[in-house]
Amino acid sequence: QSVLTQPPSVSAAPGQKVSISCSGSTSNIGNNFVSWYHQLPGTAPKLLIYDNTKRPSGIPDRFSASKSGTSATLGITGLQTGDEADYYCGTWDTSLSAWVFGGGTKLTVL
Amino acid sequence: VQLVQSGAEVKKPGASVKVSCRASGYPFGTYGVTWVRQAPGQGLEWMGWISAYNGKTDYAQKLQGRVTVTTDTSTSTAYLELRSLRSDDTAVYYCARMWELPAGVNYFDSWGQGTLVTVSS
Repeated sequence: QSVLTQPPSVSAAPGQKVSISCSGSTSNIGNNFVSWYHQLPGTAPKLLIYDNTKRPSGIPDRFSASKSGTSATLGITGLQTGDEADYYCGTWDTSLSAWVFGGGTKLTVL
Repeated sequence: VQLVQSGAEVKKPGASVKVSCRASGYPFGTYGVTWVRQAPGQGLEWMGWISAYNGKTDYAQKLQGRVTVTTDTSTSTAYLELRSLRSDDTAVYYCARMWELPAGVNYFDSWGQGTLVTVSS
């Protein structure tokens, strides 16, 4: 059972938009920066979003994120088949003194 | 920025494994390194890290006493050692560069390709 809760899977058609939620508590998301990672099948994770809302260079603006209270949300617009991957949120948990990841969300582009 | 990890390992239960992660393309000593593993079909699990600020290490509580993270700045290489291996340690192990501030770690911005460690009798 992960400290950060994500839906196991989401799906949408090409060109559509999708949101992936990440729910935590005041000891993690509520008081620390959230980052998002995506992992294409058979590859290493890759940073998608950092410091709650910022995109590293090279990440298209189809990817966005927000944070409110103890929850964070990743949004993807203009879905492409190449976006099919597992998506993870992560942050520091002050109470556990540990970095925590969400359980991951598998995105299927139908 | 590139992180290149050592090759796959097969170990027997009770043995130890040491995985390396050679960094290039940036001043190694100015960034910390973290280790994350992923069991087959499972999600990401943080294992521990070493800070560039003070060389301090932090480890996941469930691995305390079995895991050690070190760095060799002369070769820009980080190491993960895991001892008393069990079958449930079978996983792909990733190193990643940490973006950290004095207040804490913010994110992991570059990742190694992963090293499969199989624990089997």
